[in-house]
Amino acid sequence: GDSVTQMEGPVTLSEEAFLTINCTYTATGYPSLFWYVQYPGEGLQLLLKATKADDKGSNKGFEATYRKETTSFHLEKGSVQVSDSAVYFCALSDFGSARQLTFGSGTQLTVLP
Amino acid sequence: DADVTQTPRNRITKTGKRIMLECSQTKGHDRMYWYRQDPGLGLQLIYYSFDVKDINKGEISDGYSVSRQAQAKFSLSLESAIPNQTALYFCATRGTAGDTQYFGPGTRLTVL
Repeated sequence: GDSVTQMEGPVTLSEEAFLTINCTYTATGYPSLFWYVQYPGEGLQLLLKATKADDKGSNKGFEATYRKETTSFHLEKGSVQVSDSAVYFCALSDFGSARQLTFGSGTQLTVLP
Repeated sequence: DADVTQTPRNRITKTGKRIMLECSQTKGHDRMYWYRQDPGLGLQLIYYSFDVKDINKGEISDGYSVSRQAQAKFSLSLESAIPNQTALYFCATRGTAGDTQYFGPGTRLTVL
């Protein structure tokens, strides 16, 4: 079945540091790929997505590129802020009619001032 | 106002009790989902629904049931709660054509 593996946390960075959270996936065909973010006490919010190979999703300074050859969708940000502290989930959407999301285990990010 | 709302936000109950979690949405989406989140794990799908007459089991449906009362409402029930159902529960919606799901704020359920 489909699966998503993402970098284990927690990750602690200083403000303005560079962020990378690794995500790799296993799926049949070419799923859509997502990054969701969960701020403390809130539900999941879509951060960015990509629907086909070589697509780059971007939002709020975050970027991720759909790499078919390495089955990866790593999340990056050039300069993190304290307000980026949250849990980040990588996910894929299958091709079935359910469009079920398969999630990674999440990566807790803490940014220190 | 939030597009996807869940009630209650927090609930503590005892083993053996029946409990219902409710989800409402104003996005006009026909697809609705219930997920469970455990600490250190991603979300797992419990049930999903394409419309009022179409209910489907997800990967962890045992011990749960659902009801789609209207297009905008999707309820999750635990018929006889047990402690290992202590978790954070999320409702989500999706439009017919898109592949993005939109999540509610979650319900934190504790079963003693």
